[in-house]
Amino acid sequence: DSGVTQTPKHLITATGQRVTLRCSPRSGDLSVYWYQQSLDQGLQFLIQYYNGEERAKGNILERFSAQQFPDLHSELNLSSLELGDSALYFCASSVGSDYSYNEQFFGPGTRLTVL
Amino acid sequence: AQSVTQLGSHVSVSEGALVLLRCNYSSSVPPYLFWYVQYPNQGLQLLLKYTTGATLVKGINGFEAEFKKSETSFHLTKPSAHMSDAAEYFCAVSGGSNYKLTFGKGTLLTVNP
Repeated sequence: DSGVTQTPKHLITATGQRVTLRCSPRSGDLSVYWYQQSLDQGLQFLIQYYNGEERAKGNILERFSAQQFPDLHSELNLSSLELGDSALYFCASSVGSDYSYNEQFFGPGTRLTVL
Repeated sequence: AQSVTQLGSHVSVSEGALVLLRCNYSSSVPPYLFWYVQYPNQGLQLLLKYTTGATLVKGINGFEAEFKKSETSFHLTKPSAHMSDAAEYFCAVSGGSNYKLTFGKGTLLTVNP
């Protein structure tokens, strides 16, 4: 158990809908990262927040947005969902903002299925 | 820009045999290199990383990797495979602390009894 929790574990929804994925980092970790893992694209970095502020941005679509709240939990919002958004979404956390020195701890993931 | 190529999407070894998972990278700046392991239905776990200094890096569970700049490689090895090593392994590169992690496609390791 990494100490990172993600809810829900599974999510099934329809095209055009909007969903929210939630992540609670390990106690004491200030950074939260979101990743998307799919069969065709592999594992892709989406976005990082550090202590409530956006720190780095990866291949995140404009239909997707994220935020980190004062209690440090984070939410990833996915809207106007398409079939291709079906994937496993991971959250990771680390103590600092520099992941080269601070190990990222990954949650178990949320499996999103868009029908 | 950075990229990672993992040679072989599936590697099969016998228990007790050498494990060698290949990773080649491309980076426009001095790279930071990582190996992660993903067990079924779990998130990723860091095995080892190279940032600066010693080019031979030792990680958890008996794995090690060597950074070879001339070959742009960071291959993962373990002298003797164990059944519990069966998992998917990901190599990743970043161009430093302010660059995002770029992952390879992954290599699925199967260990046969």
